[in-house]
Amino acid sequence: QSALTQPASVSGSPGQSITISCTGTSSDVGSYDLVSWYQQHPGKAPKLMIYERSKRPSGVSNRFSGSKSGNTASLTISGLQAEDEADYYCCSYAGSSTFVVFGGGTKLSVL
Amino acid sequence: EVQLVESGGGLVQPGRSLRLSCAASGFTFDDYAMHWVRQVPGKGLEWVSGISWNSGSIGYVDSVKGRFTISRDNAKNSLYLQMNSLRAEDTALYYCAKDIGYDILTALGDWGQGTLVTVSS
Repeated sequence: QSALTQPASVSGSPGQSITISCTGTSSDVGSYDLVSWYQQHPGKAPKLMIYERSKRPSGVSNRFSGSKSGNTASLTISGLQAEDEADYYCCSYAGSSTFVVFGGGTKLSVL
Repeated sequence: EVQLVESGGGLVQPGRSLRLSCAASGFTFDDYAMHWVRQVPGKGLEWVSGISWNSGSIGYVDSVKGRFTISRDNAKNSLYLQMNSLRAEDTALYYCAKDIGYDILTALGDWGQGTLVTVSS
């Protein structure tokens, strides 16, 4: 059960857009649209931001969007705001044996 | 409002056991799959185990297979994690999380605040 690969850190200025990648394999990201993304602020529980590759839960800003191409999923945040500074984790279903795998996390800094 | 409250964490010696509980409220518990996710302070998230709405589908990360057992009591709106043969590397904050659906589909829509497990002699 190898973790999905995410960049350790990304940064952007307020108002800009950034994209966080999440690379898996044909056994997880590449085979299912069951990719989700989570935002975690320091000392807080994670929050679901995107599910089923590109769907947003109620209450999540439409500045957050998800996509997938092959074995790589992506989270894009447009119009960066200071409160977007947090850790972001991707997650994928990986079949009925492995079930779930997380990415290693990406620290987003809003400069 | 969905509430998930974990309990049962603490300091335990290597090789001993611990049972975590998660009390759920604010939703129809037996309509949803549930998960345990852990996080070493300062590190990333790791899925530990998940269980479908009727306990018909259960999964574990390889590192806990044979040592941890997930279960649920739908009558009591509660989720459990029995942890045996604990190791130092099991030290983490353990979160209880609610799936958005009835099967283990990995979209964890609600999370508790976590309970800290420390395995040390």
